[in-house]
Amino acid sequence: NAGVTQTPKFQVLKTGQSMTLQCAQDMNHEYMSWYRQDPGMGLRLIHYSVGAGITDQGEVPNGYNVSRSTTEDFPLRLLSAAPSQTSVYFCASSLGQGHQPQHFGDGTRLSIL
Amino acid sequence: GQQVMQIPQYQHVQEGEDFTTYCNSSTTLSNIQWYKQRPGGHPVFLIQLVKSGEVKKQKRLTFQFGEAKKNSSLHITATQTTDVGTYFCAGPQSGGYQKVTFGTGTKLQVIP
Repeated sequence: NAGVTQTPKFQVLKTGQSMTLQCAQDMNHEYMSWYRQDPGMGLRLIHYSVGAGITDQGEVPNGYNVSRSTTEDFPLRLLSAAPSQTSVYFCASSLGQGHQPQHFGDGTRLSIL
Repeated sequence: GQQVMQIPQYQHVQEGEDFTTYCNSSTTLSNIQWYKQRPGGHPVFLIQLVKSGEVKKQKRLTFQFGEAKKNSSLHITATQTTDVGTYFCAGPQSGGYQKVTFGTGTKLQVIP
């Protein structure tokens, strides 16, 4: 049972480049979310989705886009990478919305030079 | 917006000592969830509390949800080296389940 799968695990980008972080879950969860984790700041919500075709902004959405065309996939796009986006990114999913436990992927460690 | 703070930020304890982390939200929470993140790993769900004043235990871990549903605590009795990691509380704002806010986390180091 794969759970939540994130790719890539590591990535180095140059300022201004764009890229997509992939997230897929095989648990038929409706709710999916993206967080970034920076030292001393916990996990901050970037975007979330309550189902296919429905997305909304979290706490720190600027510089990131998302889409949810299927229940399984929830990619996160960096349009023009900036050094401030250097972070560890986690994707999570849950059966329901915020009242259900979230299952996290292993994370993507992203460095912007 | 909703803010969730945890104290302390760091804690070093000798193996066998007790440990407590406190979680305080600026708004009322619908529920509180606790997660553990081992070094280099991802957050893993531990438990969820829903009712005002609720107390739950998992072996050496005791979780409490405040009467006003704005604070919570996690207490570990007789810490072991396997308890090392960062503990996060998290919860959706009362009245809405969609946005979950995580606390700032408490990093626990256990000295053998």
